[in-house]
Amino acid sequence: DAKTTQPTSMDCAEGRAANLPCNHSTISGNEYVYWYRQIHSQGPQYIIHGLKNNETNEMASLIITEDRKSSTLILPHATLRDTAVYYCIVKGRNTDKLIFGTGTRLQVFP
Amino acid sequence: DGGITQSPKYLFRKEGQNVTLSCEQNLNHDAMYWYRQDPGQGLRLIYYSQIVNDFQKGDIAEGYSVSREKKESFPLTVTSAQKNPTAFYLCASSILLVNTEAFFGQGTRLTVV
Repeated sequence: DAKTTQPTSMDCAEGRAANLPCNHSTISGNEYVYWYRQIHSQGPQYIIHGLKNNETNEMASLIITEDRKSSTLILPHATLRDTAVYYCIVKGRNTDKLIFGTGTRLQVFP
Repeated sequence: DGGITQSPKYLFRKEGQNVTLSCEQNLNHDAMYWYRQDPGQGLRLIYYSQIVNDFQKGDIAEGYSVSREKKESFPLTVTSAQKNPTAFYLCASSILLVNTEAFFGQGTRLTVV
């Protein structure tokens, strides 16, 4: 399983875009990038995932570099409720295992 | 409503006692997982199961046991052999080998005194 590297913490002003980076330089061709978030003392919540194309849904956008060695999760207009720990995970097509790192603690301030 | 349910939310046990955490899902998912989370840390995989009557050890299986007698249920037993059982335990489920999301329960916070 490819490993991921994320900054420990980030701050973002309410209403601004939050850009959360993830490095996955050892990703292989059949591995997807998943993003989850965990609000304090709750179960993680799925946000988005992608293989090589950029993806967008109602929660966020996922930008994957052309070489697939890194990605960025974008919350276009952060709110206070987006304060959480964000996990970037690489998961292979032929496995069901989700291996979590320590994630990025995003603090959205007024 | 479909979902994954963990019970209880808080659990207290005396040291040396085995304790079983419940996880039930009505999503018709084949795969189920158990994770442990310690304060300020990420999630670590304890056990996972892809099919009834079969399961695999994760990264920290020592001191834990599971069963998968029914598709919708995946209970976790924390045995007295687990040296540091106090933690937040999370259960999840997903469709088998399809690139879609996993769904998580709300967790059980176990405190052993």
